[in-house]
Amino acid sequence: ETGVTQTPRHLVMGMTNKKSLKCEQHLGHNAMYWYKQSAKKPLELMFVYSLEERVENNSVPSRFSPECPNSSHLFLHLHTLQPEDSALYLCASSQSGLNTQYFGPGTRLTVL
Amino acid sequence: DAKTTQPNSMESNEEEPVHLPCNHSTISGTDYIHWYRQLPSQGPEYVIHGLTSNVNNRMASLAIAEDRKSSTLILHRATLRDAAVYYCILSRANSGYALNFGKGTSLLVTP
Repeated sequence: ETGVTQTPRHLVMGMTNKKSLKCEQHLGHNAMYWYKQSAKKPLELMFVYSLEERVENNSVPSRFSPECPNSSHLFLHLHTLQPEDSALYLCASSQSGLNTQYFGPGTRLTVL
Repeated sequence: DAKTTQPNSMESNEEEPVHLPCNHSTISGTDYIHWYRQLPSQGPEYVIHGLTSNVNNRMASLAIAEDRKSSTLILHRATLRDAAVYYCILSRANSGYALNFGKGTSLLVTP
């Protein structure tokens, strides 16, 4: 498998559920990102990891919890979400110091 | 951060060239100009980037004005698969990791 993969591609969850989104990159990059894309809105950067350390957290609510166990994998743990958290969640990777980012296909999340 | 301005939407006929404009009048000397596109139901895809000189790759060409206050992404022969939202983004080298996606230009390609 090549590039950036994300699972699941679609997820429906209730407000009391706990779920996790997974991202894996096969590009040898050392920086990974989570973005949120709500309907009719620009992409919003949520978290950035470089060399497995979190380097940016853009005022994201604590119900979103990222985890980066190694440079190839990134998780977004979700708990007690709200309906307004329904969106497309995109993962990306890059090589530190370079600004070209490579995106996965996204996870379409619906919170009921 | 320096800002970019793009038209909300453009339309092109299939197999015709498409010129997508971007204004960035407050660009600084170290800002790179990046273009990404997002096809329906997919994540954004890198297209091309440049600093001062015009750039060509297999996907597109990037023409940068001499004063760098504007640039144009050129698709030489539009296909139906090029219908997407195209984003023009300024990114300063070694300034961090954020790419500030705006609203972009929604390109419609008609047969």
